[in-house]
Amino acid sequence: EVQLLESGGGLVQPGGSLRLSCATSGFTFGTYAMIWVRQAPGKGLEWVSAIGGRGGSTYYADSVKGRFTISRDNSKNTLYLQMNSLRAEDTAVYYCARLDTSCTSNWGQGTLVTVSS
Amino acid sequence: QPVLTQSSSASASLGSSVKLTCTLSSGHSSYIIAWHQQQPGKAPRYLMKLEGSGSYNKGSGVPDRFSGSSSGADRYLTISNLQSEDEADYYCETWDSNTRVFGTGTKVTVL
Repeated sequence: EVQLLESGGGLVQPGGSLRLSCATSGFTFGTYAMIWVRQAPGKGLEWVSAIGGRGGSTYYADSVKGRFTISRDNSKNTLYLQMNSLRAEDTAVYYCARLDTSCTSNWGQGTLVTVSS
Repeated sequence: QPVLTQSSSASASLGSSVKLTCTLSSGHSSYIIAWHQQQPGKAPRYLMKLEGSGSYNKGSGVPDRFSGSSSGADRYLTISNLQSEDEADYYCETWDSNTRVFGTGTKVTVL
């Protein structure tokens, strides 16, 4: 069974940093592209970032480009999202998800990031 | 990049059917989409991948009541024999080479 478990969320001040992790199991992690998606309180889903299976290709939404960095450690079956220069508008539940032939096929349970002073 | 348009809400009676629409923007009518369900307070759940031909592949455990179809730039999700647990937000998603896009979601209410 595919399992995705996010961690690392919490309360951070504007301008601060946070690193999210997504521990995976149940599939050969290094053969799948992965993404991060976020959902602000009461709002819809917003794609944040994507990374290829080997980590060589990374993509970002314009709203986070230059501030967030996606990475992965295939030896640990773990996906990461380093978030710097955080803003109030980055407050959201962050989900990691697995792509299967480009389609988002599995979701984690999410971790809440709150940016506030 | 593509844009997806969804109605904000839909409602139907218990045991009836509801058909949700996701419309692709001009120039993107051939794109494949995915449908996701998000029940209140829960993470999204993948329902199906839907092609422009109308062919679809459902995720593991998705009930037979859920089906997909297509017409031009429109992608549809039909829920038959509506159950109380189907009350949720439904999002469509599409992608191209270096970006992914979600629709704004349709809130389904079971009457």
